Amino acid sequence: GENVEQHPSTLSVQEGDSAVIKCTYSDSASNYFPWYKQELGKRPQLIIDIRSNVGEKKDQRIAVTLNKTAKHFSLHITETQPEDSAVYFCAATPYGQNFVFGPGTRLSVLP
Amino acid sequence: GAVVSQHPSRVICKSGTSVKIECRSLDFQATTMFWYRQFPKQSLMLMATSNEGSKATYEQGVEKDKFLINHASLTLSTLTVTSAHPEDSSFYICSARDPSGTGDTQYFGPGTRLTVL
Repeated sequence: GENVEQHPSTLSVQEGDSAVIKCTYSDSASNYFPWYKQELGKRPQLIIDIRSNVGEKKDQRIAVTLNKTAKHFSLHITETQPEDSAVYFCAATPYGQNFVFGPGTRLSVLP
Repeated sequence: GAVVSQHPSRVICKSGTSVKIECRSLDFQATTMFWYRQFPKQSLMLMATSNEGSKATYEQGVEKDKFLINHASLTLSTLTVTSAHPEDSSFYICSARDPSGTGDTQYFGPGTRLTVL
């Protein structure tokens, strides 16, 4: 089955700097890769996703890149703000199958 | 994005009682819903996949007789924790698969924090 690893487990950046979180997956059949943001005690919120037919996708300060050959994908947040502080989860899934989540990255944006 | 509600948001119960948690898709019909469990500072652990009109599919190690799942309509799935014990205390979150578009996006409910005394 699919296995997703995520690094780093914790990340601290200064406000205004960029943050990068990387995930690797094992199942070459996976073709959908969402990223979720979860604030303490709240639901995971979908922030961006990418499908395997695309190498990069951007939405304002957030971007995701996918390298199918190396089986890894990354979340990039530019111009970080304190409200970006949260736990971020990546996931990988073949179409129609269950999500397999990474262990999460706790991002702290320091003022 | 699509809206998923979950009720109750918080429940405290005595050991041995049963607790029912409801998950509703408010603005779309979801043939598939998922139930997750999340321990503090950990990732989401899939417990079971709830399919409308059929039996749920449980992940390995999840007791189906303890965690009863019913998906009686296209907008409602329920999880019943039977004979709850303190070790069942956790954050339970449901999600629903949005069938629009490519049909693989999941939207999460706000979660239910269960505390068993």
